[in-house]
Amino acid sequence: DQQVKQNSPSLSVQEGRISILNCDYTNSMFDYFLWYKKYPAEGPTFLISISSIKDKNEDGRFTVFLNKSAKHLSLHIVPSQPGDSAVYFCAASASRFGSSNTGKLIFGQGTTLQVKP
Amino acid sequence: DVKVTQSSRYLVKRTGEKVFLECVQDMDHENMFWYRQDPGLGLRLIYFSYDVKMKEKGDIPEGYSVSREKKERFSLILESASTNQTSMYLCASSSGGVGTGELFFGEGSRLTVL
Repeated sequence: DQQVKQNSPSLSVQEGRISILNCDYTNSMFDYFLWYKKYPAEGPTFLISISSIKDKNEDGRFTVFLNKSAKHLSLHIVPSQPGDSAVYFCAASASRFGSSNTGKLIFGQGTTLQVKP
Repeated sequence: DVKVTQSSRYLVKRTGEKVFLECVQDMDHENMFWYRQDPGLGLRLIYFSYDVKMKEKGDIPEGYSVSREKKERFSLILESASTNQTSMYLCASSSGGVGTGELFFGEGSRLTVL
C-alpha cells in the first residue's frame, strides 16, 4: 500500500518556466513533509520541508505548498534551470509515532524532472 | 562537511552468496537507515536503527539483516543473495528530533545479483 504517491513519473519544462511537482498521501497521521532531489549516481539530498501547521514554505526558487484537506502537496520551482534536472522524491513522517524523532520517512516513487535549455 | 560513506559503489554477486554492505557516518547521528531504490517504487525502507545495538524493521525487511555495533557504522547483510535483491541500496543517517526528519544519504551501492 503506497502511502505517499507521486503519480507523474516524469515532467519536462522549458528553462525559465515554472516546474510543479505533485505528491499525494493517504495517511492522515503524517505531519511533516520533505522533498529530496537526486542526481544519477548520487544519494538524495534534502531540498525543502514543511510542517503540517503551515500551508506554505519558501526557500529561494523553491516553494512547497501543503493542502491537508486534500492530502496533497506540491513543489514549485521558479524559474526552472537546467541544473534542476533530477529525480525529485516526496517524503512524509508522523511524529505521533515517534518517527520524527527517529527520522523515519516514507517516500514516494519519484518524479524525473527535465529542464530544457 | 557532513558525510555518509558507503563502502562499495558497485557490486556483482552470485545467487546464494552472503553480501555485506557497509555504511559509516561522521556526524555522530543517532539514527541510521537502509533504503533500496527501484524504478517506479521509489525508496523503500529496509531496516533502521536509532541507537547502537538497536534495530527496527522497515517496510521490506525480508531477506535482510542489519548490524549496528558502533554508533557510526550500520551494516546491511544479505544472508543469501537472490536476483530480486538486485537494486540500488542507500544508507542514510539523521540526528532525530521532532520536526527535523532530514536524512543525509550516502552515494549508494548498486548491487547486481546474477
